[in-house]
Amino acid sequence: GENVEQHPSTLSVQEGDSAVIKCTYSDSASNYFPWYKQELGKGPQLIIDIRSNVGEKKDQRIAVTLNKTAKHFSLHITETQPEDSAVYFCAARNDNNAGNMLTFGGGTRLMVKP
Amino acid sequence: GAVVSQHPSRVICKSGTSVKIECRSLDFQATTMFWYRQFPKQSLMLMATSNEGSKATYEQGVEKDKFLINHASLTLSTLTVTSAHPEDSSFYICSARDGSLSGNTIYFGEGSWLTVV
Repeated sequence: GENVEQHPSTLSVQEGDSAVIKCTYSDSASNYFPWYKQELGKGPQLIIDIRSNVGEKKDQRIAVTLNKTAKHFSLHITETQPEDSAVYFCAARNDNNAGNMLTFGGGTRLMVKP
Repeated sequence: GAVVSQHPSRVICKSGTSVKIECRSLDFQATTMFWYRQFPKQSLMLMATSNEGSKATYEQGVEKDKFLINHASLTLSTLTVTSAHPEDSSFYICSARDGSLSGNTIYFGEGSWLTVV
């Protein structure tokens, strides 16, 4: 089955700096890669996703890059703000599988210091 | 955007009792719903996959008789923790798959904190 590794597990940055979170996956058949932000005591919320037919996607301060050959994808947050502080999860899925299950990384606790 | 409502958000129950958690997709039909359990500072652990009108598929190690899942309609799935024990205390999260042509995206509920005393 799929295995997703996420690094780092914790990340502390100064407000205004950039933050990068990296994930690797094992199943080359995976073709959908979402990122979720989970605030304390709440369910994860989808913030951006990318499919395997593109290499990069951007939405304001958030961008995701995908390297299919190396089987890794990254989340980039620019101009970080204190409200970006949360736990971020990457995930991978093979959309050709009927089950459509997501495999999650271990999570990254991002702390943005004002 | 699509919304998944989970209720209750917090529940405290006595050991030995059962508690039901509901997961509703509010503006889309969810043919598939997923239930996760999350321990503090850990990732989400998939418990079961629930398809509307059929029995849930449980992950290895998850007791199907203890965690009863019902997906009776395209917008509602329920998780019932039977004969709850303190070790069942956890954060339970559901998600629903928007199977529309434009979607196939998975949306999460807000989660339910279960404390068994």
